[in-house]
Amino acid sequence: QQQVKQSPQSLIVQKGGISIINCAYENTAFDYFPWYQQFPGKGPALLIAIRPDVSEKKEGRFTISFNKSAKQFSLHIMDSQPGDSATYFCAASLIRLVFGKGTKLTVNP
Amino acid sequence: DGGITQSPKYLFRKEGQNVTLSCEQNLNHDAMYWYRQDPGQGLRLIYYSQIVNDFQKGDIAEGYSVSREKKESFPLTVTSAQKNPTAFYLCASSTTQPRSYNSPLHFGNGTRLTVT
Repeated sequence: QQQVKQSPQSLIVQKGGISIINCAYENTAFDYFPWYQQFPGKGPALLIAIRPDVSEKKEGRFTISFNKSAKQFSLHIMDSQPGDSATYFCAASLIRLVFGKGTKLTVNP
Repeated sequence: DGGITQSPKYLFRKEGQNVTLSCEQNLNHDAMYWYRQDPGQGLRLIYYSQIVNDFQKGDIAEGYSVSREKKESFPLTVTSAQKNPTAFYLCASSTTQPRSYNSPLHFGNGTRLTVT
């Protein structure tokens, strides 16, 4: 019940396209859902986060969609750019953060 | 600039040797964490500490040890008992439990440990 399942494992998108990464969870007690972005050789950094009482949060080209009844949430990257190429981790928190296994995004020019 | 410093960036050790990874933060955060990252495995919690002189095991603590003698420092020792120590190790900190927008995890840039 503490797992967060993330898909796909890797994703290739053309510049200007939409990147979509999905996560699912089982524990309905999770109360905070952040996304982290990691560039090669660096530590992850918080990208965007959402609480379960909100269905969508948008920050620039990045949007989290949250479906509480389905226990799923997703990250949408609009107008994807080569600089967005990174590994993305979803996470969920109750006492501490539980991370998904990550999605390696490649945006081709 | 405030942040988390992990050193060294690359570390090589022979099998059977203990090795200590350094983590220092100047963010005045109470909580500190150690994660291990392996390809395709995500981030797995090794140990965490919410206050000086106290720490708890995470999901994969076997073969590791930590200390928290100062608020700023949280070194991780990889012992010879760790079966597969080669990995990328990440240290993180937060003001309290990272459950809100006000206390996200801040990560260092990691130490890549190779044991042969």
